[in-house]
Amino acid sequence: GAGVSQSPSNKVTEKGKDVELRCDPISGHTALYWYRQSLGQGLEFLIYFQGNSAPDKSGLPSDRFSAERTGGSVSTLTIQRTQQEDSAVYLCASSPGGEPQQYFGPGTRLTVT
Amino acid sequence: RKEVEQDPGPFNVPEGATVAFNCTYSNSASQSFFWYRQDCRKEPKLLMSVYSSGNEDGRFTAQLNRASQYISLLIRDSKLSDSATYLCAVTLYGQNFVFGPGTRLSVLP
Repeated sequence: GAGVSQSPSNKVTEKGKDVELRCDPISGHTALYWYRQSLGQGLEFLIYFQGNSAPDKSGLPSDRFSAERTGGSVSTLTIQRTQQEDSAVYLCASSPGGEPQQYFGPGTRLTVT
Repeated sequence: RKEVEQDPGPFNVPEGATVAFNCTYSNSASQSFFWYRQDCRKEPKLLMSVYSSGNEDGRFTAQLNRASQYISLLIRDSKLSDSATYLCAVTLYGQNFVFGPGTRLSVLP
């Protein structure tokens, strides 16, 4: 079946602009995660959604970052007033209820100029 | 102390060699453990789960040592195609995934 998809695959934006990144999880997966990965670095947890529960936002680096998940499916990560240090690959992952392993999307490479 | 730690490497090994990576975790209540593989500029892909009794998948063997709080990955008869970064992941109650920084492996001809 279809895997996790993300769009856009690449995004170049000017400092100070807002960006929206989209994630379509695997159908039926109840959990959805957003991570950030800078060049040569590990995965930095951003936010986690599980079903209808309140999201775990503990990893969001600042109040410029927000995310929502509509209808328990598609998720959007929004970065307001982008800064150069926001440049990274933003990865989305989903996992089915009852199984902890995650399946990753291909990521969105964000470059802030 | 970081929650999950790995030797970043790189590990440079010849084809056919056996190589082992360790990953240590700090939260003794951690429940589930995984190894992921990440190729350059690609997303991580699940390599294998790690079970308490240890498990094997072809040339790959994963082990868990709860007493010392580490997991290990052993790759036998390494291939050029095994070159990648190997990430360990630890979860608490099936959520709160924490990934290690990864260990880079280069298998040389």
